[in-house]
Amino acid sequence: SQTIHQWPATLVQPVGSPLSLECTVEGTSNPNLYWYRQAAGRGLQLLFYSVGIGQISSEVPQNLSASRPQDRQFILSSKKLLLSDSGFYLCAWSDPRRGGSYNEQFFGPGTRLTVL
Amino acid sequence: QKEVEQNSGPLSVPEGAIASLNCTYSDRGSQSFFWYRQYSGKSPELIMSIYSNGDKEDGRFTAQLNKASQYVSLLIRDSQPSDSATYLCAVSLRGGSGGYQKVTFGIGTKLQVIP
Repeated sequence: SQTIHQWPATLVQPVGSPLSLECTVEGTSNPNLYWYRQAAGRGLQLLFYSVGIGQISSEVPQNLSASRPQDRQFILSSKKLLLSDSGFYLCAWSDPRRGGSYNEQFFGPGTRLTVL
Repeated sequence: QKEVEQNSGPLSVPEGAIASLNCTYSDRGSQSFFWYRQYSGKSPELIMSIYSNGDKEDGRFTAQLNKASQYVSLLIRDSQPSDSATYLCAVSLRGGSGGYQKVTFGIGTKLQVIP
């Protein structure tokens, strides 16, 4: 079975500090990978998605970036955090072999980031 | 107009009752529809997927889809206090490549099941 991991689980960072969040998937190969942010009282916002190693698409221009150095590894980064970056960061995966319409996404446990 | 709309609630139902959660979407070309359950402080968990008009049942859960009305709902029979959570409606829209289709989420409806 497939498992998705995220770390750290919680993070408190000062404004202007860098950020690195990591996500790994086990039990599958060539997954589509996603980074979402869920701010308090708001819906899930897609930040980045990736259909393969080194292939990153950004949905929202901001001070965040993503990288996919390995097939099942997805990293979210920032050089300088803003207060508005606080939120619940979720990594998700889907199986592209299921066909484009069957885009079931499965979420990791998330990282709760507080920027002070 | 929001792409996926849900009433944020809270929706309160007594234990044992049927909870009815509703969602509307704006893109008529939407092809796939999902319901996620999210407990407070936790990540969303996929509980139902539905792709064609009609009803789909899984245990105490029934998803209903009406593409003509652009409406999808989730019924929870015999509601239990453990069903208390936020339920997110998600819709897969057209576009993308490489097996990717964008999924847009509603803000979620908070369900409270009262013992």
